[in-house]
Amino acid sequence: QVHLQESGPGLVRPSQTLSLTCSVSGASIRSPDNCWGWIRQSPGKVLEWVGYIFFTGTSFTHLSLNSRFNVSADTSRNHLSLKVSSVSDADTAVYYCARCTPFMEGWFFDLWGRGTLVTVSS
Amino acid sequence: HSRLTQPPSVSGAPGQTVTISCTGTSSDIGSDHSVNWYQQLPGGPPKLLIHTDTYRPSGVPDRFSAFKSGNSAFLSITGLQAEDEAAYFCQSFDSSLSGPWIFGGGTTLTVL
Repeated sequence: QVHLQESGPGLVRPSQTLSLTCSVSGASIRSPDNCWGWIRQSPGKVLEWVGYIFFTGTSFTHLSLNSRFNVSADTSRNHLSLKVSSVSDADTAVYYCARCTPFMEGWFFDLWGRGTLVTVSS
Repeated sequence: HSRLTQPPSVSGAPGQTVTISCTGTSSDIGSDHSVNWYQQLPGGPPKLLIHTDTYRPSGVPDRFSAFKSGNSAFLSITGLQAEDEAAYFCQSFDSSLSGPWIFGGGTTLTVL
């Protein structure tokens, strides 16, 4: 059974860098069958994908979120990381990691972690 | 960035049928990009409900179905049950440069 578990600091000060980790068990993040993504949900419940990474190590982040976001993977520990620099109130959200699976010409997020709440506040 | 448009809330009595709409543009749903639907129970993460327009993952009751027409997609829930009370989100693909994925704003279903 595949399990995803996010972890993070909970509270981060404005302008600091946020670091989140997603530990994956029951599946290898090196699998060529999937990608692994980060999605966040604002206090108003809006979902927004943040970035994703393939087994090759190629990662993508949402262009409108500018270059503050970085997605990486540690295959030796089978976990993903998300770093967000210069955080502001707008980055307050629940951050989820999820597995993305291709089907026909599309992709969907078929497995999600329970999420970790990040609050940006001084 | 752009989002798919969903009604904020819908409601129905047990046993009834409700339909939730998800309206996009010619850059996403209208470009024949596939649509996925997620169910989020209170306090929990989103769960995949329907993928690739009409496919139900294993374990999802056949009371849930979906279809697509033009720039819109629709999720239908028949035989409404109390346990269906949740938020429902649609998701598609964005052909614009900021893509690839966009979500709807979510619809809260209340079972009366």
